[in-house]
Amino acid sequence: QQQVKQSPQSLIVQKGGIPIINCAYENTAFDYFPWYQQFPGKGPALLIAIRPDVSEKKEGRFTISFNKSAKQFSLHIMDSQPGDSATYFCAASSQTGANNLFFGTGTRLTVIP
Amino acid sequence: ETGVTQSPTHLIKTRGQQVTLRCSSQSGHNTVSWYQQALGQGPQFIFQYYREEENGRGNFPPRFSGLQFPNYSSELNVNALELDDSALYLCATSSRGLETQYFGPGTRLLVL
Repeated sequence: QQQVKQSPQSLIVQKGGIPIINCAYENTAFDYFPWYQQFPGKGPALLIAIRPDVSEKKEGRFTISFNKSAKQFSLHIMDSQPGDSATYFCAASSQTGANNLFFGTGTRLTVIP
Repeated sequence: ETGVTQSPTHLIKTRGQQVTLRCSSQSGHNTVSWYQQALGQGPQFIFQYYREEENGRGNFPPRFSGLQFPNYSSELNVNALELDDSALYLCATSSRGLETQYFGPGTRLLVL
């Protein structure tokens, strides 16, 4: 059973566009929601993370929006660049337990110059 | 780049063999988690080690085992390899009590 559902599976935008990736979860014990960026042949790199007491967090061109009541969160990439072309994963974890991450299935983003 | 290193980078084994993968922690991180990432999928949690003991386990059979050493480095051992074990194996390190996990570059395992 997929604990974190992610969409879309792939996304193509023009340079300067604002791709949006969405995730949903069911487990209300989750209290930490990071986003990771992964390039081919590399390990996932932490981009930005949010806790459920905050509805939005911005770091540079990356913004997370969080809707606790709907159990959904999303990643927005402002002014996207070709170098942002990668696979993006949302994840969730809970402090009750091993803090292990439950990942979504990933979104392959392509930014066209 | 994180300070997490993994070895080897690539490995080819045949079905039924055993494999050992290694991970060195980022400085100051005392907790190591291992994940399996199949092609086109998100990473799946295998287990976590803290203070040299297993501290949580995902839905993986006992032929997946691990060790953590006093310097916080870790090994993942897989016995009786199966074709479906072909994947990218990632380790992630963190400080106990903090949620943020930093991933290494992974070891690509191919089982023939």
